Amino acid sequence: AQKITQTQPGMFVQEKEAVTLDCTYDTSDPSYGLFWYKQPSSGEMIFLIYQGSYDQQNATEGRYSLNFQKARKSANLVISASQLGDSAMYFCAMREGHGSARQLTFGSGTQLTVLP
Amino acid sequence: DVKVTQSSRYLVKRTGEKVFLECVQDMDHENMFWYRQDPGLGLRLIYFSYDVKMKEKGDIPEGYSVSREKKERFSLILESASTNQTSMYLCASLTQGATDTQYFGPGTRLTVL
Repeated sequence: AQKITQTQPGMFVQEKEAVTLDCTYDTSDPSYGLFWYKQPSSGEMIFLIYQGSYDQQNATEGRYSLNFQKARKSANLVISASQLGDSAMYFCAMREGHGSARQLTFGSGTQLTVLP
Repeated sequence: DVKVTQSSRYLVKRTGEKVFLECVQDMDHENMFWYRQDPGLGLRLIYFSYDVKMKEKGDIPEGYSVSREKKERFSLILESASTNQTSMYLCASLTQGATDTQYFGPGTRLTVL
């Protein structure tokens, strides 16, 4: 079974509107972390936001927020007030437990296009 | 700021060649990673290292090896490149703390002809 599922291969949003990118995960480990990365066409993976499994509140970083619903095992990324520069591929990733090397498992990504 | 650099942005090699991809980080991190990225598959872990001279296989190690002789440098080696190793290769370095976040280099787009 997929550990990280991103069901939206592509999304479009109008500039200045909000958009939600979906991510569901599968783990039996009570301790895990969830990450979102942005990959522009240049190729570099840029860390956006982190949510720990024990965090009581949803994570926020500027225009990015993470809608964490633990019982549903979902960790959707919300981007408010979209900008043209937000057009990129977005990846959800998970780290399980407290392994020595902190490996990440990635979803297949969502290509977001912001329309002017 | 964490700085992770990779030796080449683009590389073209021939089948059977030995290929070295270099990754350097300047933050004294112990953990480093090599991924490959293919359309529709996301990122898949090839190898990782949690200390100098220490390495472990990831999900897809076949056809690859790694070297970590110094803490700041983690090399990915394709002993005999094949066309199915044409891909984007990303190196990451881990900053340990409350979030254990991986920071990535700019990537190397390798084409094997």
